[in-house]
Amino acid sequence: QVQLVQSGAEVKKPGSSVKVSCKASGGTFTSHAISWVRQAPGQGLEWMGGIIDMFGTTNYAQKFQGRVSITADESTSTAYMELRSLRSGDTAVYYCANGSGGPTYFDYWGQGTLVTVSS
Amino acid sequence: SYELTQPPSVSVSPGQTASITCSGAKLGNKYVCWYQQKPGQSPVLIIYQDTTRPSGIPERFSGSNSGNTATLTISGTQAMDEADYYCQAWDRTTVVFGGGTKLTVL
Repeated sequence: QVQLVQSGAEVKKPGSSVKVSCKASGGTFTSHAISWVRQAPGQGLEWMGGIIDMFGTTNYAQKFQGRVSITADESTSTAYMELRSLRSGDTAVYYCANGSGGPTYFDYWGQGTLVTVSS
Repeated sequence: SYELTQPPSVSVSPGQTASITCSGAKLGNKYVCWYQQKPGQSPVLIIYQDTTRPSGIPERFSGSNSGNTATLTISGTQAMDEADYYCQAWDRTTVVFGGGTKLTVL
């Protein structure tokens, strides 16, 4: 049973960057099936992007193209999501999600990381 | 870009059957999964590949997908099922979520 543990809450200034980590333990870390999903206050789930195959290919939602980077370190079973040029609308809970059967669905989720963007 | 549409809210009486729909173009040609999310918690996968329940998910949860509509059915709905439900599909290397449906058990 994979457990995903994310880094702690962050408060950031507009225009800055944030990097959130997601460490897997307790099972097989399928780094080629890790995605990041965010949820703004009172809103639904929004896919940001993910690693979609065994070659480490990343795909990002068009909305975040050029502003987000998703990486994974197999040696430490840790995935990272960096979001740049932060604005107030990026205030949200950010989740990492992992699919044991591939990138098409997610049976493991991190606990979420609240990122607050405020001047 | 591909879109999935869900009703914002559904109400059901305890013990009755709740149905939550998810609509998208030719959705029946894609695999759909469903998540349950309770306040302050991370989403939980309850159905994947249209109809499969992960281990530990009660049998009262079932799914179907045909044409342009996928449906999550909760039989014998319990008070503990009150939550937000999201459908999700995979479209050409992109993950797409529906807007979510708030299920109220009253």
